[in-house]
Amino acid sequence: GAGVSQSPRYKVAKRGQDVALRCDPISGHVSLFWYQQALGQGPEFLTYFQNEAQLDKSGLPSDRFFAERPEGSVSTLKIQRTQQEDSAVYLCASSPHRGPADTQYFGPGTRLTVL
Amino acid sequence: SQQGEEDPQALSIQEGENATMNCSYKTSINNLQWYRQNSGRGLVHLILIRSNEREKHSGRLRVTLDTSKKSSSLLITASRAADTASYFCATDPSGGNKLVFGAGTILRVKS
Repeated sequence: GAGVSQSPRYKVAKRGQDVALRCDPISGHVSLFWYQQALGQGPEFLTYFQNEAQLDKSGLPSDRFFAERPEGSVSTLKIQRTQQEDSAVYLCASSPHRGPADTQYFGPGTRLTVL
Repeated sequence: SQQGEEDPQALSIQEGENATMNCSYKTSINNLQWYRQNSGRGLVHLILIRSNEREKHSGRLRVTLDTSKKSSSLLITASRAADTASYFCATDPSGGNKLVFGAGTILRVKS
């Protein structure tokens, strides 16, 4: 079956622009996670959804970052007024289980470059 | 902030040799997972070991967990060129909602 997909795969933004990154999880997966991965580093947690409820947004680095999953399926990560330090790969993962404790299925990521 | 620390940061071996990577973490956990990431791709789950387990096998992979030392190791036996990738350990701190990844070990297998 289809895995997790993300779009766009690459995004170049000028500093100050708003961007929206989309994640299509595996159908029926309850949990959805967003991570930020800087070059040469491991992924860092941003936020977690269980169905449409955002249960944890403790990793969002500032109030410029906003995520939603209104119908409990597709999720969008929005970054307002992008800054150069936002340049990273943004990974989405989904899981059929509640919580982070089991296997997560990752998408290919969106590479964001802010000029 | 990342909880896990992998060691070594980079490892280069010949095809057929074994590769061992280590991971240390800081807080109590429910389980520990290992993921692989090929260049420019997403992460692929390799194996999960629960906090009450000490060793687990999956094909050419062997994982150990020592909760008293807060450490884990991943052994890949009879490595292949296709094993070239970055390897990350990830823990879920007890009571939390997230996986915490280490910085990863870059493995290069030369043919």
